[in-house]
Amino acid sequence: GESVGLHLPTLSVQEGDNSIINCAYSNSASDYFIWYKQESGKGPQFIIDIRSNMDKRQGQRVTVLLNKTVKHLSLQIAATQPGDSAVYFCAEKLGGSQGNLIFGKGTKLSVKP
Amino acid sequence: DAGVTQSPTHLIKTRGQQVTLRCSPKSGHDTVSWYQQALGQGPQFIFQYYEEEERQRGNFPDRFSGHQFPNYSSELNVNALLLGDSALYLCASSLVQGYGYTFGSGTRLTVV
Repeated sequence: GESVGLHLPTLSVQEGDNSIINCAYSNSASDYFIWYKQESGKGPQFIIDIRSNMDKRQGQRVTVLLNKTVKHLSLQIAATQPGDSAVYFCAEKLGGSQGNLIFGKGTKLSVKP
Repeated sequence: DAGVTQSPTHLIKTRGQQVTLRCSPKSGHDTVSWYQQALGQGPQFIFQYYEEEERQRGNFPDRFSGHQFPNYSSELNVNALLLGDSALYLCASSLVQGYGYTFGSGTRLTVV
């Protein structure tokens, strides 16, 4: 079975609001986590990553939080825009630099203008 | 910027046939991984190639095989196609000692 999953399969937000997408992982040996955005007909696009020795990392309008105690990962998108509408996946990586990625099912984010 | 290139973009095959999908990695990358993404699901790892050898393999039958060429490009072959093989096949390239993966846009395979 999959070791990465998402709490909410769909999320609808108003343009300008902040979005929070959550993810649970089950393997405590995972040392690297990535959030991807996937638009219809396209491959996953890297958003932000975080290593297990960190608990927070910020990018442009995005922040990833990692809580290793409860094995929880979240993606925060500030001032959500219509262009943010897509499916978002979290992925974990096992085995250091040689591990493959394990993806969850994804959350669909819809931004209402 | 030459990202990951996959071909063809779409393909329709009949049950029992064989298919070959191709991937050119991002410039500078030496490792290629293949993923299968069924509709509405997250990508599932098929296998990874480095130095022309399969390094890791996911839970896929032997009907799925691959190859990596000296220029780091890769092929995914699927024999005896089943209806359930219909999916988006994604190629991701990376550096063997790195953590970053770059995905292509995928090949949409439909088996009828």
